[in-house]
Amino acid sequence: GNSVTQMEGPVTLSEEAFLTINCTYTATGYPSLFWYVQYPGEGLQLLLKATKADDKGSNKGFEATYRKETTSFHLEKGSVQVSDSAVYFCALTRLTGGGNKLTFGTGTQLKVEL
Amino acid sequence: EAGVAQSPRYKIIEKRQSVAFWCNPISGHATLYWYQQILGQGPKLLIQFQNNGVVDDSQLPKDRFSAERLKGVDSTLKIQPAKLEDSAVYLCASTPTATSSYEQYFGPGTRLTVT
Repeated sequence: GNSVTQMEGPVTLSEEAFLTINCTYTATGYPSLFWYVQYPGEGLQLLLKATKADDKGSNKGFEATYRKETTSFHLEKGSVQVSDSAVYFCALTRLTGGGNKLTFGTGTQLKVEL
Repeated sequence: EAGVAQSPRYKIIEKRQSVAFWCNPISGHATLYWYQQILGQGPKLLIQFQNNGVVDDSQLPKDRFSAERLKGVDSTLKIQPAKLEDSAVYLCASTPTATSSYEQYFGPGTRLTVT
């Protein structure tokens, strides 16, 4: 079946540091890949997505590239801010007959300090 | 555009009691999902509706969980009787149609504590 593995947290960084959160997946066919973010006290929000191999998703300074050869979708940001502190979830979707079914990783908590 | 609404935001009950959660998706969204998010884990799909029909309920513990979306708009998820291991955040999400968009829009969730 489909599964997502992401690096465990928490990850603590200083402001302006470089961020990488690793994500690898196992899936049949050609899934779409996502990063969702959950800020404290809020619901999940889509951060970025990529729907086919070699696509790069980007948003708010975050980037991730769909690497089919390594089955990876690592999240990166060149300079993090305190406001980026949140839990980040890697996910994939496989389109079923009735709609897209999301499979999530366990989440990585990011804490950015001044 | 109003987002996905859920209520209540928090609920504390004793084991063996019953509880119900409500979700109102974004207007016009045909597909609705309920997820269970246990602390330290990613959300797990419980049930998916397309309009008022069930598309996938393979991971719903049907001996104690039930869900309905009678008019194809808002939805209710019920647990009866609750167990300690049901303590989790219950998330509702919606998409415009089944295949037109891959993005799911999530509500703020209901945090359930079973004591």
